[in-house]
Amino acid sequence: DAGVIQSPRHEVTEMGQEVTLRCKPISGHNSLFWYRQTMMRGLELLIYFNNNVPIDDSGMPEDRFSAKMPNASFSTLKIQPSEPRDSAVYFCASSRTGGRSPLHFGNGTRLTVT
Amino acid sequence: QQQVKQSPQSLIVQKGGISIINCAYENTAFDYFPWYQQFPGKGPALLIAIRPDVSEKKEGRFTISFNKSAKQFSLHIMDSQPGDSATYFCAASIWDDKIIFGKGTRLHILP
Repeated sequence: DAGVIQSPRHEVTEMGQEVTLRCKPISGHNSLFWYRQTMMRGLELLIYFNNNVPIDDSGMPEDRFSAKMPNASFSTLKIQPSEPRDSAVYFCASSRTGGRSPLHFGNGTRLTVT
Repeated sequence: QQQVKQSPQSLIVQKGGISIINCAYENTAFDYFPWYQQFPGKGPALLIAIRPDVSEKKEGRFTISFNKSAKQFSLHIMDSQPGDSATYFCAASIWDDKIIFGKGTRLHILP
């Protein structure tokens, strides 16, 4: 079991550029979550999918953020255009069946927008 | 109503001491309360979890105490070790819905 795989590990970009973060969940897991972690706000849930369908995107900060899950083994989080306040660590997590099952987190993508 | 409030923000404990982290919630519909542990450069990982039909759950040196009437729960780490130094998150969820995390407690155990 390779665990949840996120790429890239680090991303540095300039304000206004498009950023795409990628996630490969654990095989057999039906739920996928995107979180953002900052010192000030802790772990914020951005969006979660169940069986590839977005269930709750109320945490997505604004229209600049979008997420897709085209199949059970891949998801992307896109920020366009990026802003300095988007700088954070973005985590992807998967679980067998939503919140009751243990969440398995990837090692995160540290995003810096200058 | 969807918030989980965690305290303290940071904690320093001597090796061998007891570390205590507290959490409070408002939404009485929450029915699952996990704790996650995060080491630097890594994602959080499930440490221990409790359901509101029990008042305490113990796994090794880690114990969750749950007070349903007060809507509070806490993590106790007995005989704290330097390897326990990490960030700890309490969380809550309703059935199989999304998990809401507290803001985290950075724990440092002095050798």
